[in-house]
Amino acid sequence: GQNIDQPTEMTATEGAIVQINCTYQTSGFNGLFWYQQHAGEAPTFLSYNVLDGLEEKGRFSSFLSRSKGYSYLLLKELQMKDSASYLCAVRDPPFTGGGNKLTFGTGTQLKVEL
Amino acid sequence: DVKVTQSSRYLVKRTGEKVFLECVQDMDHENMFWYRQDPGLGLRLIYFSYDVKMKEKGDIPEGYSVSREKKERFSLILESASTNQTSMYLCASRGQGTIYGYTFGSGTRLTVV
Repeated sequence: GQNIDQPTEMTATEGAIVQINCTYQTSGFNGLFWYQQHAGEAPTFLSYNVLDGLEEKGRFSSFLSRSKGYSYLLLKELQMKDSASYLCAVRDPPFTGGGNKLTFGTGTQLKVEL
Repeated sequence: DVKVTQSSRYLVKRTGEKVFLECVQDMDHENMFWYRQDPGLGLRLIYFSYDVKMKEKGDIPEGYSVSREKKERFSLILESASTNQTSMYLCASRGQGTIYGYTFGSGTRLTVV
């Protein structure tokens, strides 16, 4: 099975940088995803890491260390619209049908303040 | 451009009713999933399907069943709704070889009274 941990809540200031951590213990690993979810809306894809290292995409970056079971999402130049829940999810290795299901952490609620 | 559509945004049902939640995707995806999302518990997988007429139990299948008669449609069925099934239900789909994880529908908030 999968066990994924991330902080429940974080608060940061507009314009600042925030790092949201995610640790996982898994019986198999086939990639790690970060999703953003605004209140009352569906999760939307932010980033994907399958190899160790940093993936940068505009103001958002995601890092993975497979040996440590650790990832983080880095948000730069925070904006008020970044206030949302950030979900870490680990993909299982393919089963016979190739479904590659995702197991999600409970999410980190980020509040951006002025 | 909505690609995964859930038929209802809000539903209120009575205890004991049989409830159908419908999900349709227009991306020709093989894999479809049903999650429920509850505060403090995150998204938990109920059932998934990797092909027409194929289904697999997720982490919390009790009290639910599913149907996938056509590739584009994946239905979640609550055989006899109970108050502990009050939740946000999210459908998602994913194509083979896609690295971008899931595309989610906008969710159905179900209240069982």
